[in-house]
Amino acid sequence: DTEVTQTPKHLVMGMTNKKSLKCEQHMGHRAMYWYKQKAKKPPELMFVYSYEKLSINESVPSRFSPECPNSSLLNLHLHALQPEDSALYLCASSQEVSRPQHFGDGTRLSIL
Amino acid sequence: AQSVTQLGSHVSVSEGALVLLRCNYSSSVPPYLFWYVQYPNQGLQLLLKYTTGATLVKGINGFEAEFKKSETSFHLTKPSAHMSDAAEYFCAVSRADSYQKVTFGTGTKLQVIP
Repeated sequence: DTEVTQTPKHLVMGMTNKKSLKCEQHMGHRAMYWYKQKAKKPPELMFVYSYEKLSINESVPSRFSPECPNSSLLNLHLHALQPEDSALYLCASSQEVSRPQHFGDGTRLSIL
Repeated sequence: AQSVTQLGSHVSVSEGALVLLRCNYSSSVPPYLFWYVQYPNQGLQLLLKYTTGATLVKGINGFEAEFKKSETSFHLTKPSAHMSDAAEYFCAVSRADSYQKVTFGTGTKLQVIP
Protein backbone atom coordinates (compact mmCIF):
# COMPACT_ATOMS: atom_id res chain seq x y z
CA ASP A 1 0.00 0.00 0.00
CA THR A 2 1.20 3.48 -0.83
CA GLU A 3 0.73 6.61 1.23
CA VAL A 4 -0.62 8.47 -1.77
CA THR A 5 -4.06 7.20 -2.72
CA GLN A 6 -5.42 7.56 -6.23
CA THR A 7 -8.94 6.78 -7.41
CA PRO A 8 -10.14 5.25 -9.58
CA LYS A 9 -7.48 2.69 -10.49
CA HIS A 10 -8.91 2.29 -13.97
CA LEU A 11 -11.08 4.60 -16.04
CA VAL A 12 -12.54 4.18 -19.51
CA MET A 13 -14.25 7.21 -20.98
CA GLY A 14 -15.47 8.57 -24.25
CA MET A 15 -14.12 11.70 -25.84
CA THR A 16 -17.18 13.74 -24.86
CA ASN A 17 -17.25 12.69 -21.22
CA LYS A 18 -16.24 14.71 -18.18
CA LYS A 19 -14.53 12.83 -15.39
CA SER A 20 -12.18 13.50 -12.50
CA LEU A 21 -9.17 11.73 -11.08
CA LYS A 22 -8.62 12.02 -7.36
CA CYS A 23 -5.43 12.02 -5.33
CA GLU A 24 -5.09 12.16 -1.55
CA GLN A 25 -2.17 12.14 0.87
CA HIS A 26 -2.09 12.42 4.65
CA MET A 27 1.63 12.85 5.18
CA GLY A 28 1.41 16.60 5.62
CA HIS A 29 3.27 17.14 2.40
CA ARG A 30 3.12 20.64 0.98
CA ALA A 31 3.67 19.83 -2.67
CA MET A 32 1.57 17.61 -4.90
CA TYR A 33 2.09 16.66 -8.52
CA TRP A 34 0.34 15.12 -11.51
CA TYR A 35 2.35 13.14 -14.04
CA LYS A 36 1.40 11.43 -17.29
CA GLN A 37 3.20 8.23 -18.19
CA LYS A 38 2.90 6.52 -21.55
CA ALA A 39 3.96 2.89 -21.95
CA LYS A 40 7.70 2.30 -21.76
CA LYS A 41 8.33 6.02 -21.12
CA PRO A 42 9.31 8.01 -18.03
CA PRO A 43 6.72 10.13 -16.24
CA GLU A 44 6.11 13.61 -17.64
CA LEU A 45 5.27 16.38 -15.20
CA MET A 46 1.91 18.03 -15.83
CA PHE A 47 1.15 20.15 -12.77
CA VAL A 48 2.60 21.06 -9.42
CA TYR A 49 0.62 22.49 -6.51
CA SER A 50 2.78 23.91 -3.76
CA TYR A 51 2.01 26.43 -1.03
CA GLU A 52 -1.38 27.13 -2.57
CA LYS A 53 0.21 27.99 -5.89
CA LEU A 54 -0.38 26.02 -9.05
CA SER A 55 2.31 25.68 -11.66
CA ILE A 56 1.60 24.25 -15.06
CA ASN A 57 3.72 22.58 -17.69
CA GLU A 58 2.82 24.80 -20.60
CA SER A 59 2.69 21.87 -23.00
CA VAL A 60 -0.30 20.36 -21.17
CA PRO A 61 -3.57 20.91 -23.07
CA SER A 62 -6.41 22.84 -21.43
CA ARG A 63 -8.63 19.75 -21.48
CA PHE A 64 -6.76 18.81 -18.29
CA SER A 65 -7.47 21.06 -15.30
CA PRO A 66 -6.19 20.52 -11.76
CA GLU A 67 -8.01 21.49 -8.62
CA CYS A 68 -6.72 21.55 -5.06
CA PRO A 69 -9.67 21.63 -2.59
CA ASN A 70 -7.31 21.43 0.39
CA SER A 71 -3.70 20.66 1.22
CA SER A 72 -4.20 16.90 1.14
CA LEU A 73 -6.23 16.60 -2.05
CA LEU A 74 -5.36 17.21 -5.67
CA ASN A 75 -7.91 16.41 -8.34
CA LEU A 76 -7.48 16.31 -12.09
CA HIS A 77 -10.56 17.20 -14.13
CA LEU A 78 -10.80 15.73 -17.60
CA HIS A 79 -12.94 17.03 -20.46
CA ALA A 80 -13.06 16.28 -24.16
CA LEU A 81 -9.99 14.07 -24.08
CA GLN A 82 -8.39 12.54 -27.14
CA PRO A 83 -7.27 8.94 -27.73
CA GLU A 84 -3.64 10.00 -27.33
CA ASP A 85 -4.44 10.98 -23.75
CA SER A 86 -4.69 7.31 -22.85
CA ALA A 87 -1.94 6.71 -20.31
CA LEU A 88 -1.13 6.03 -16.69
CA TYR A 89 -1.71 9.17 -14.61
CA LEU A 90 0.43 9.32 -11.51
CA CYS A 91 0.01 11.56 -8.51
CA ALA A 92 2.91 12.30 -6.18
CA SER A 93 3.60 14.38 -3.12
CA SER A 94 6.67 15.65 -1.29
CA GLN A 95 7.49 17.62 1.84
CA GLU A 96 8.89 20.45 -0.23
CA VAL A 97 9.55 20.90 -3.88
CA SER A 98 12.78 19.18 -4.95
CA ARG A 99 12.49 16.68 -2.08
CA PRO A 100 11.90 13.01 -2.93
CA GLN A 101 8.42 12.36 -4.18
CA HIS A 102 6.05 9.68 -2.98
CA PHE A 103 3.94 8.26 -5.77
CA GLY A 104 0.50 6.73 -5.85
CA ASP A 105 -0.19 3.61 -7.90
CA GLY A 106 -1.79 5.63 -10.65
CA THR A 107 -5.00 5.71 -12.64
CA ARG A 108 -4.90 3.88 -15.94
CA LEU A 109 -6.99 5.95 -18.32
CA SER A 110 -8.32 4.72 -21.64
CA ILE A 111 -10.06 7.05 -24.08
CA LEU A 112 -12.40 5.44 -26.57
CA ALA B 1 19.62 22.85 -18.06
CA GLN B 2 19.82 19.32 -16.79
CA SER B 3 19.46 15.86 -18.27
CA VAL B 4 19.78 12.22 -17.36
CA THR B 5 21.06 9.38 -19.52
CA GLN B 6 20.45 5.78 -18.59
CA LEU B 7 22.66 3.42 -20.53
CA GLY B 8 20.81 0.32 -21.59
CA SER B 9 17.04 0.20 -21.85
CA HIS B 10 17.14 -3.50 -20.92
CA VAL B 11 19.53 -5.28 -18.58
CA SER B 12 19.46 -9.02 -17.87
CA VAL B 13 21.26 -10.64 -14.95
CA SER B 14 21.19 -14.08 -13.40
CA GLU B 15 19.71 -14.54 -9.97
CA GLY B 16 22.49 -13.99 -7.44
CA ALA B 17 24.63 -11.95 -9.82
CA LEU B 18 25.67 -8.33 -9.46
CA VAL B 19 23.19 -5.71 -10.62
CA LEU B 20 24.63 -2.57 -12.22
CA LEU B 21 22.35 0.04 -13.74
CA ARG B 22 24.08 3.06 -15.20
CA CYS B 23 23.04 6.68 -14.91
CA ASN B 24 24.89 9.76 -16.06
CA TYR B 25 23.62 13.25 -15.48
CA SER B 26 24.21 16.74 -16.70
CA SER B 27 23.45 19.72 -14.51
CA SER B 28 24.60 23.32 -14.41
CA VAL B 29 24.23 23.41 -10.63
CA PRO B 30 24.87 20.82 -7.90
CA PRO B 31 22.21 18.19 -8.40
CA TYR B 32 19.94 16.11 -6.28
CA LEU B 33 19.88 12.57 -7.66
CA PHE B 34 17.34 9.80 -7.19
CA TRP B 35 16.64 6.26 -8.21
CA TYR B 36 13.06 5.07 -8.43
CA VAL B 37 11.69 1.59 -9.13
CA GLN B 38 8.40 0.86 -10.85
CA TYR B 39 6.73 -2.54 -10.75
CA PRO B 40 4.04 -3.37 -13.33
CA ASN B 41 0.83 -1.42 -12.88
CA GLN B 42 2.21 0.52 -9.94
CA GLY B 43 3.59 3.96 -9.27
CA LEU B 44 7.22 4.81 -8.67
CA GLN B 45 8.88 3.96 -5.40
CA LEU B 46 11.94 5.82 -4.18
CA LEU B 47 14.93 3.50 -3.80
CA LEU B 48 17.50 6.04 -2.66
CA LYS B 49 18.57 9.64 -2.97
CA TYR B 50 21.66 11.80 -2.95
CA THR B 51 21.40 15.41 -1.85
CA THR B 52 24.56 16.39 0.00
CA GLY B 53 27.14 14.70 2.20
CA ALA B 54 28.25 11.10 1.82
CA THR B 55 28.60 10.14 -1.82
CA LEU B 56 27.78 6.46 -1.26
CA VAL B 57 24.11 6.20 -0.45
CA LYS B 58 22.27 3.12 0.63
CA GLY B 59 18.66 2.52 -0.16
CA ILE B 60 15.97 -0.03 0.32
CA ASN B 61 16.06 -3.67 -0.80
CA GLY B 62 19.87 -3.82 -0.66
CA PHE B 63 20.49 -1.24 -3.38
CA GLU B 64 23.13 1.44 -3.21
CA ALA B 65 24.50 4.12 -5.50
CA GLU B 66 27.60 6.26 -5.57
CA PHE B 67 27.67 9.88 -6.64
CA LYS B 68 30.82 10.54 -8.67
CA LYS B 69 31.04 14.18 -9.54
CA SER B 70 34.14 13.77 -11.71
CA GLU B 71 32.34 11.19 -13.84
CA THR B 72 28.89 12.83 -13.55
CA SER B 73 27.55 9.42 -12.69
CA PHE B 74 25.14 7.91 -10.19
CA HIS B 75 25.13 4.20 -10.96
CA LEU B 76 22.85 1.84 -9.05
CA THR B 77 24.20 -1.46 -7.75
CA LYS B 78 23.11 -4.48 -5.78
CA PRO B 79 25.53 -7.31 -4.95
CA SER B 80 23.11 -10.16 -5.53
CA ALA B 81 20.02 -10.00 -7.72
CA HIS B 82 16.75 -11.46 -6.54
CA MET B 83 13.83 -12.44 -8.71
CA SER B 84 11.74 -9.74 -7.02
CA ASP B 85 14.14 -7.08 -8.35
CA ALA B 86 12.72 -7.46 -11.85
CA ALA B 87 11.16 -4.06 -12.61
CA GLU B 88 11.71 -0.75 -14.39
CA TYR B 89 14.26 1.57 -12.83
CA PHE B 90 14.36 5.33 -13.34
CA CYS B 91 17.20 7.67 -12.51
CA ALA B 92 16.15 11.29 -11.88
CA VAL B 93 17.85 14.61 -11.26
CA SER B 94 16.55 17.78 -9.68
CA ARG B 95 17.89 20.98 -8.25
CA ALA B 96 17.20 22.50 -4.89
CA ASP B 97 15.59 25.67 -6.18
CA SER B 98 13.05 24.49 -8.72
CA TYR B 99 10.67 21.53 -8.91
CA GLN B 100 10.31 22.25 -12.60
CA LYS B 101 13.78 20.91 -13.07
CA VAL B 102 12.95 17.37 -12.01
CA THR B 103 14.04 15.25 -14.96
CA PHE B 104 13.64 11.50 -15.31
CA GLY B 105 15.79 9.21 -17.38
CA THR B 106 14.19 6.97 -19.96
CA GLY B 107 14.31 3.96 -17.66
CA THR B 108 16.05 0.60 -17.57
CA LYS B 109 14.08 -2.61 -17.46
CA LEU B 110 15.82 -5.18 -15.29
CA GLN B 111 15.22 -8.83 -16.05
CA VAL B 112 16.40 -11.45 -13.54
CA ILE B 113 16.98 -14.91 -14.95
CA PRO B 114 16.54 -17.88 -12.60
